[in-house]
Amino acid sequence: QVTLKESGPALVKPTQTLALTCTFSGFSLTTSGMRVSWIRQPPGKALEWLGRIDWDDAKFYSASLQTRLTISKDTSKNQVVLTMTNMDPVDTATYYCARLRGNYEFDYWGQGTLVTVSS
Amino acid sequence: QSALTQPRSVSGSPGQSVTISCTGTSSDVGAYNYVSWYQQHPGKAPKLMIYDVNKRPSGVPDRFSGSKSGNTASLTISGLQAEDEADYYCCSHVGSYRVIFGGGTKVTVL
Repeated sequence: QVTLKESGPALVKPTQTLALTCTFSGFSLTTSGMRVSWIRQPPGKALEWLGRIDWDDAKFYSASLQTRLTISKDTSKNQVVLTMTNMDPVDTATYYCARLRGNYEFDYWGQGTLVTVSS
Repeated sequence: QSALTQPRSVSGSPGQSVTISCTGTSSDVGAYNYVSWYQQHPGKAPKLMIYDVNKRPSGVPDRFSGSKSGNTASLTISGLQAEDEADYYCCSHVGSYRVIFGGGTKVTVL
């Protein structure tokens, strides 16, 4: 059974750095072809893809956010970490991690974690 | 890269069919057969409904179908049911290992 769960601060201040952890089970990021993505959704708005990390440690980021994002993994803990620098109120959103299966579809999602950026 | 264009809302009565369009460009929807669709109920995480334009994951009812013509992909829900009321998002590969989502469509069952 595949599960993913996001964790991290619910509130961050403007200009701070956000760090979110995705803890997963039911698969391993050491297995060829496995990938995990981060996706966010501002309240009442659409989904936005942020980036992904692959089993071979390849990383790909949204073109518009790549200067602020870092994704890393700890395979011993089955965790993927998203770091986003210089947070702004417009970054207030529910942040999801999701497993990327096959070509470019997300077959399992975490429950999401709401991050509010406010002073 | 701008989000894919979806209608803000569509509606239909139980048993009817509704179709949601997802319009992109020749660099995304038109270039790749990697379009997926997600259903999202309020307060819940999205759920994969269609992938690779027209493939259904195990467990998704066959009333959900996908297609593509040129730069526009479509999701059709046949035999609309009350539980189909939700937001739906399309997603397309855009090259360089990246994807982009649509703006979302709210489906209302009248």
